[in-house]
Amino acid sequence: DTGVSQDPRHKITKRGQNVTFRCDPISEHNRLYWYRQTLGQGPEFLTYFQNEAQLEKSRLLSDRFSAERPKGSFSTLEIQRTEQGDSAMYLCASSSTTRDTGELFFGEGSRLTVL
Amino acid sequence: GQNIDQPTEMTATEGAIVQINCTYQTSGFNGLFWYQQHAGEAPTFLSYNVLDGLEEKGRFSSFLSRSKGYSYLLLKELQMKDSASYLCAVDSRNAGNMLTFGGGTRLMVKP
Repeated sequence: DTGVSQDPRHKITKRGQNVTFRCDPISEHNRLYWYRQTLGQGPEFLTYFQNEAQLEKSRLLSDRFSAERPKGSFSTLEIQRTEQGDSAMYLCASSSTTRDTGELFFGEGSRLTVL
Repeated sequence: GQNIDQPTEMTATEGAIVQINCTYQTSGFNGLFWYQQHAGEAPTFLSYNVLDGLEEKGRFSSFLSRSKGYSYLLLKELQMKDSASYLCAVDSRNAGNMLTFGGGTRLMVKP
């Protein structure tokens, strides 16, 4: 396994369109996280899953944002009716509850540009 | 609330030592992480501190004082490839390792 993978790496869309990002975590990791990062800022937590359960979603930026992890493996993050302010890098990370430090392993991110 | 502060930018010379500070005020504390992020790339794990003191790992060391809400990352024998952003992050929840990140410190290493 080569790490966390995200698709697409880049997405350009028009305002008002819906977009969906996919994340495939490291295979033995049971936790999966979504973060958003804008230029020059640190990652901002959005939501996380343990297996298929979404245990925290209060930080999702609005009701236009939703995430799923239906079988406890890959996850999708959907943004409906995109706005220019949604332009950012969307990072996925995974971790294992069996590791002492619980460090997060990040993917390369999906960069969204809303025109 | 959660507040994590670190300098926005720092510049240092190749071969030198640099210390990047991080102060935090969080509602809970379960550990502090440092990540390195090169431009356009994913953050990568550098260090983890949960107890007070210094953790050394090669050229990089990280220090934590829980009573002061303070940490620093020390980089020795700087190399040009160390030019990157360094992110301080606090795990402030009892479950989930939901890290809260600071804004990052952009380090530029000059010859």
